[in-house]
Amino acid sequence: EVQLVESGGGLVQPGRSLRLSCTASGFTFGDYAMSWVRQAPGKGLEWVGFIRSKAYGGTTEYAASVKGRFTISRDDSKSIAYLQMNSLKTEDTAVYYCTTSQLVNGYYYMDVWGKGTTVTVSS
Amino acid sequence: EIVMTQSPATLSVSPGERATLSCRASQSVSSNLAWYQQKPGQAPRLLIYGASTRATGIPARFSGSGSGTEFTLTISSLQSEDFAVYYCQQYNNWPYSFGQGTKLEIK
Repeated sequence: EVQLVESGGGLVQPGRSLRLSCTASGFTFGDYAMSWVRQAPGKGLEWVGFIRSKAYGGTTEYAASVKGRFTISRDDSKSIAYLQMNSLKTEDTAVYYCTTSQLVNGYYYMDVWGKGTTVTVSS
Repeated sequence: EIVMTQSPATLSVSPGERATLSCRASQSVSSNLAWYQQKPGQAPRLLIYGASTRATGIPARFSGSGSGTEFTLTISSLQSEDFAVYYCQQYNNWPYSFGQGTKLEIK
């Protein structure tokens, strides 16, 4: 069974950093691209960022709202994707989900989702 | 950035009836459009990708249509478990973007 488990969330002060992890199981992690999506309390879904598999360069894409502050990386030997969040703002408060990204005809859609981890940025 | 607009914001439908949800893109996204269902306290679940292809395990009462800028999700005969929030999302261009969601509620 494909499973994604996010961890690392918590309460953090504005301006500080936090690293989220997404631990995968049930599939060959290194073959897949991964995405992060967040959802602020009572709001809709916001795409955060994406990392390609190593076979496609392992390159990344980011939303404008987090570019320059957030970094996505991956450790295929551990089947973990990371979301490093720096210079956190109160508006980064959200549930953060990781997802697998399936490649079809040159485009990636988000497939399996984890249950999410909650990040609260507050003083 | 491509803006996705869903309508209506809330849709009230009786069980057993048909529900039609709309999604419009601010520019063409070809058929690179997905639909997700989210229930309270749960993660989103993929329903449709490629505008019209059902994801694994999704019942046949869910169908998607459209291409370019206009898309529709149809639920042919609503079951109690279908009342939830539905999001469309384009994956044709970076940055990816979601619609604001349509809440499907029991009439």
